Amino acid sequence: QKEVEQNSGPLSVPEGAIASLNCTYSDRGSQSFFWYRQYSGKSPELIMFIYSNGDKEDGRFTAQLNKASQYVSLLIRDSQPSDSATYLCAVNSIRSGYSTLTFGKGTMLLVSP
Amino acid sequence: IAGITQAPTSQILAAGRRMTLRCTQDMRHNAMYWYRQDLGLGLRLIHYSNTAGTTGKGEVPDGYSVSRANTDDFPLTLASAVPSQTSVYFCASSPDRGYEQYFGPGTRLTVT
Repeated sequence: QKEVEQNSGPLSVPEGAIASLNCTYSDRGSQSFFWYRQYSGKSPELIMFIYSNGDKEDGRFTAQLNKASQYVSLLIRDSQPSDSATYLCAVNSIRSGYSTLTFGKGTMLLVSP
Repeated sequence: IAGITQAPTSQILAAGRRMTLRCTQDMRHNAMYWYRQDLGLGLRLIHYSNTAGTTGKGEVPDGYSVSRANTDDFPLTLASAVPSQTSVYFCASSPDRGYEQYFGPGTRLTVT
């Protein structure tokens, strides 16, 4: 069973701090990694994807990938109350002959003013 | 329209009734997906389609069917609804299988 594990949280950080969200995955063959943000009652929204080991930066967001450790993380700099949401990690997997994304259950982030 | 639309937004359905959830995308994406999201269980794949004319079963396909007659539309049908199908249903599309997926706004379905 291909799995994606995330700490459910909540992760609480003060406004302006760096929030660090972590994800581990079991499928060593995975090649693509994604972070989604989901506000309560809304649909998941893609915020970052990363394919290669190392860091990828986009504005206040940095995705980090370490395939050897099967670990992917998302850093949010200068956290804002509007960043309060559940963050879903997703990993490309092959399941029973089809290719799809396997999602973690998400980490809730709370940014306090 | 831009992106993915789903209809209805929400629905209360009596057990045993038939229901079709609609999904339309205008991005010309090849792949489309249906997920259900339940508290504590996360997103689970119901059915997928890698391209128009083909469909496949995901993690939790029982009680659901899909069709993909063209690129844009991917309806999900519950032939005879049961209370365990109460959930939020999301349709998603992707340029191709394995790439990033973009989600529709969701349908909240309650089966009584």
